[in-house]
Amino acid sequence: GQNIDQPTEMTATEGAIVQINCTYQTSGFNGLFWYQQHAGEAPTFLSYNVLDGLEEKGRFSSFLSRSKGYSYLLLKELQMKDSASYLCAARRQAGTALIFGKGTTLSVSS
Amino acid sequence: SQTIHQWPATLVQPVGSPLSLECTVEGTSNPNLYWYRQAAGRGLQLLFYSVGIGQISSEVPQNLSASRPQDRQFILSSKKLLLSDSGFYLCAWRLQGSIGELFFGEGSRLTVL
Repeated sequence: GQNIDQPTEMTATEGAIVQINCTYQTSGFNGLFWYQQHAGEAPTFLSYNVLDGLEEKGRFSSFLSRSKGYSYLLLKELQMKDSASYLCAARRQAGTALIFGKGTTLSVSS
Repeated sequence: SQTIHQWPATLVQPVGSPLSLECTVEGTSNPNLYWYRQAAGRGLQLLFYSVGIGQISSEVPQNLSASRPQDRQFILSSKKLLLSDSGFYLCAWRLQGSIGELFFGEGSRLTVL
């Protein structure tokens, strides 16, 4: 079966660093994706990992460990606009649809 | 550049009424197309996907159906809505041969009363 777990909610303050964890169990694996979704809006693509290690994109980084079925999204220098839901998604096989977790709602306060 | 549009953005429908949500993609050819639903407190649930005209795969048995009459058009339908059909419906596309990231439309919020 497919199972993707991530914390429901997290809080942090402006300027801080936050790490959002995701564990996955899928029948097959061909990539781990992170999306950002602001309330009432569509998700937007943030990052992609298919090999073990860290991928950095500005203030956002994503890490993958395939042997552990584990990924995290790291957000640095938090800003108020980073308050959103962060969705972890796994792809089972190349060319197939993404399976999403329930998302982690991040609240950034001043 | 590629764009994706879906409509209507918001609708309120009575139980038992029909439904039609439409999604179109511009600026690309032969995309993979997807319908997801996001209900309150739940993650994005894959409903249907299509790799070509007339080719529809269903992930979850339910009273919804999908059709792809043209290469860049994807339609989600129901003959009789249920209360449990309420949610935020998202159409998405993926470029075949890409890393696989999905690009989502603006979403359609359906409330069934």
